[in-house]
Amino acid sequence: GENVEQHPSTLSVQEGDSAVIKCTYSDSASNYFPWYKQELGKGPQLIIDIRSNVGEKKDQRIAVTLNKTAKHFSLHITETQPEDSAVYFCAATNSAGGTSYGKLTFGQGTILTVHP
Amino acid sequence: NAGVMQNPRHLVRRRGQEARLRCSPMKGHSHVYWYRQLPEEGLKFMVYLQKENIIDESGMPKERFSAEFPKEGPSILRIQQVVRGDSAAYFCASSPNRAPPLHFGNGTRLTVT
Repeated sequence: GENVEQHPSTLSVQEGDSAVIKCTYSDSASNYFPWYKQELGKGPQLIIDIRSNVGEKKDQRIAVTLNKTAKHFSLHITETQPEDSAVYFCAATNSAGGTSYGKLTFGQGTILTVHP
Repeated sequence: NAGVMQNPRHLVRRRGQEARLRCSPMKGHSHVYWYRQLPEEGLKFMVYLQKENIIDESGMPKERFSAEFPKEGPSILRIQQVVRGDSAAYFCASSPNRAPPLHFGNGTRLTVT
């Protein structure tokens, strides 16, 4: 089955700096890679996702890059703000095909702290 | 649009009791997933259901755990004879069809004393 490794486990940055979180996956059939933000006491919130037919996707201060050959993908947050502080999870799945669906394999999470 | 609704938010059970966790998917969503999150860990898939059908329960322990998603009403995750190791946050997610993205609820935090 799929295995997803996420690094770093904790990340501390100053407000305004950039933050990068990296994930590697093992199953070359995986084709959908979401990123979730989880705040204390809440459920994971989808912040951005990418499919394997593209290499990069941006949404304002957030971007995700995908390297299918190396089987890794990264989350980039620019101009970080204190409200970006949360736990971030990457995930992967194979969402194509008759027997495939949204069964996500998650990374272990990164605790991001943005200092004012 | 209401999101995925889970209740209760917190549930305390003594060892040996039963726990029932409920999940109402987003409006228009007929596909439900249950995930478990142990302290300081990522989420682990448990079960995937469509209305009246269990599609994949490969992540669910073989004993004491069961799930259903009836034609009417919420999806239910049932844990019989709870043990301390069942203490965790249980999250439900829904999608409108077989494919992602998945939208998560705020979870039920189960504590077994």
